Amino acid sequence: SQELEQSPQSLIVQEGKNLTINCTSSKTLYGLYWYKQKYGEGLIFLMMLQKGGEEKSHEKITAKLDEKKQQSSLHITASQPSHAGIYLCGADIADDKIIFGKGTRLHILP
Amino acid sequence: DAMVIQNPRYQVTQFGKPVTLSCSQTLNHNVMYWYQQKSSQAPKLLFHYYDKDFNNEADTPDNFQSRRPNTSFCFLDIRSPGLGDAAMYLCATSRDTGRGLFFGSGTQLSVL
Repeated sequence: SQELEQSPQSLIVQEGKNLTINCTSSKTLYGLYWYKQKYGEGLIFLMMLQKGGEEKSHEKITAKLDEKKQQSSLHITASQPSHAGIYLCGADIADDKIIFGKGTRLHILP
Repeated sequence: DAMVIQNPRYQVTQFGKPVTLSCSQTLNHNVMYWYQQKSSQAPKLLFHYYDKDFNNEADTPDNFQSRRPNTSFCFLDIRSPGLGDAAMYLCATSRDTGRGLFFGSGTQLSVL
């Protein structure tokens, strides 16, 4: 079965600093999603990547899917307190399903 | 605004007492999902509906059932909740496969 490994599990960053979160799949990714979750709430869709080498940006968040389509990274530039939360990657697998990694908890220090 | 709505936001039930969680959507999406998420864990897919077709995950306990009476509503029934069923339950929808999921705010279930 396919698994998603996220690193790091937890990240503490000074406000204004850049950071990167990684998501590695045990199998080729056919659709890779990034979501953000605040504690005790639902998941908010950030971005979807499908093609090898694809890169998408929204405001200060950039996500990339590597050429081999087995790893994705999420990069935040000049982090702000509003970026704090749990970032989860999700992947399309067979039969209409999406599986998720365990998430990366991001804390921003003022 | 079009969205996925879960009720209630917090649910407390007693050990063994049946409980129903509800989800409604105004997106008119074909696919509806139920995920279970325990603390610091990945959301785990319990089952999903593609229109009226029900798809159960192999490792979803029989204690968990679901109903989708129409496109807009989907229910999660836990027949005899155990302490291990305490978790966040997330409902999500998708227009079609490979199109990403839209999530509700979740229902946090506590079992006493």
